[in-house]
Parts: sequence; C-alpha cells; structure tokens
Amino acid sequence: DVKVTQSSRYLVKRTGEKVFLECVQDMDHENMFWYRQDPGLGLRLIYFSYDVKMKEKGDIPEGYSVSREKKERFSLILESASTNQTSMYLCASSLSGNEKLFFGSGTQLSVL
Amino acid sequence: GEDVEQSLFLSVREGDSSVINCTYTDSSSTYLYWYKQEPGAGLQLLTYIFSNMDMKQDQRLTVLLNKKDKHLSLRIADTQTGDSAIYFCAEISNTGGFKTIFGAGTRLFVKA
Repeated sequence: DVKVTQSSRYLVKRTGEKVFLECVQDMDHENMFWYRQDPGLGLRLIYFSYDVKMKEKGDIPEGYSVSREKKERFSLILESASTNQTSMYLCASSLSGNEKLFFGSGTQLSVL
Repeated sequence: GEDVEQSLFLSVREGDSSVINCTYTDSSSTYLYWYKQEPGAGLQLLTYIFSNMDMKQDQRLTVLLNKKDKHLSLRIADTQTGDSAIYFCAEISNTGGFKTIFGAGTRLFVKA
C-alpha cells in the first residue's frame, strides 16, 4: 500500500513564526500536492509538484512556498505564519497527472 | 473556472439508502471520484467512474453519472453507522495541467 506520511499531527505556532510542514511518500510517485481543508470550503490546492525541483501554484498560494529537493519529500513552508493560516493541511501524491490521489493523515495547524 | 458543488450534510437511518449528489462544471473531466474522510483521518479513495460510463456498481456503492447535466451521485445501500464520514466529490480538470478539484464535502450522519 502507498504510504503518505506527514511529520506532525498537531502543531501550534505563534504569529510571525516560520513553519515547515513535511510530507514523505514511499511509492516513487511523480506528483505531490498540498491542500488545506476548512469547514464548508472543502479542499483547496495550495501548491503542487510534477517532479523534483518543480513546483506549480495552486489556487491559494499566497503566504506559502514549497520545496521538493527529493522525489519522495514535499515540504510546505509558511514564511511568516498568520492566524488565517490556522487550518488542516493535507498532503497527497499520485503516480501521474490523472491518477487518483493518496492522502496523508493531515496536520492540524493552529496559529496563535 | 472549474467548480464542484455538493450539499454539506445528509442524515439517514441505519439500513436505509444514502444518496449524495454532486454537480461539476468541467465537461472535459475524464475521471470523477468519490473520496471518504473518516474522523481524524486523511481522505481515502472510495470509488471512481470514467466519463464515458453512466453507472458503476461496487458492492454497496452505486455511482451514477449524467454527463449532459454534469451530475454525479453516490448511493450507499444498507447504510451502516460505520459509513458516517465526510464524502468528497472530485473531478480531474485538464485545464492548466491535471488538477483534482474537490467539492466542499457532504457530512453523512447515520442514526442507529
């Protein structure tokens, strides 16, 4: 089975802190994604990556950046966390562009 | 732009059938998906349908696709308390690269 692992289940940070959310997949998938999930809004795509060192903006990239130095790892970075970034963050991967997604368990981030 | 809409809440009695509806806008979508999210977990693929199909049945699950109306539904027969979860409808959009667009999610509550 594909495993997508997110480094933290819960995270509490202060406004202005730099925050790293890590995601690792073990199935040599080409594509990796970061979504945030908010009640009533569903999942919104922040950034995605088709290959190592490649990144594409999703629908809500403002305030975020990403890094993909190795194929299995995709990091989401909040340069200066703000309270409106309090959310559940979900990482996902897929084998190719039109394949189903495999999700991690999510990181619930609270910014105080 | 692409959009996926679904109602936010559905309540049924144990043993009844549940029907979760979804509408989408991208007529070029080749795959349409249903994902399930149980409490405290990430999303898992439940089932999917190719856009050239009208119906797909998988044990207690029936997916119906009306491509003309861009309407997708998920029917769960003999709904059990373990089916209580959030169900997300999703399409893969070919616009601007392959992106999975999610609905807001329908929370299914099964009453014993």
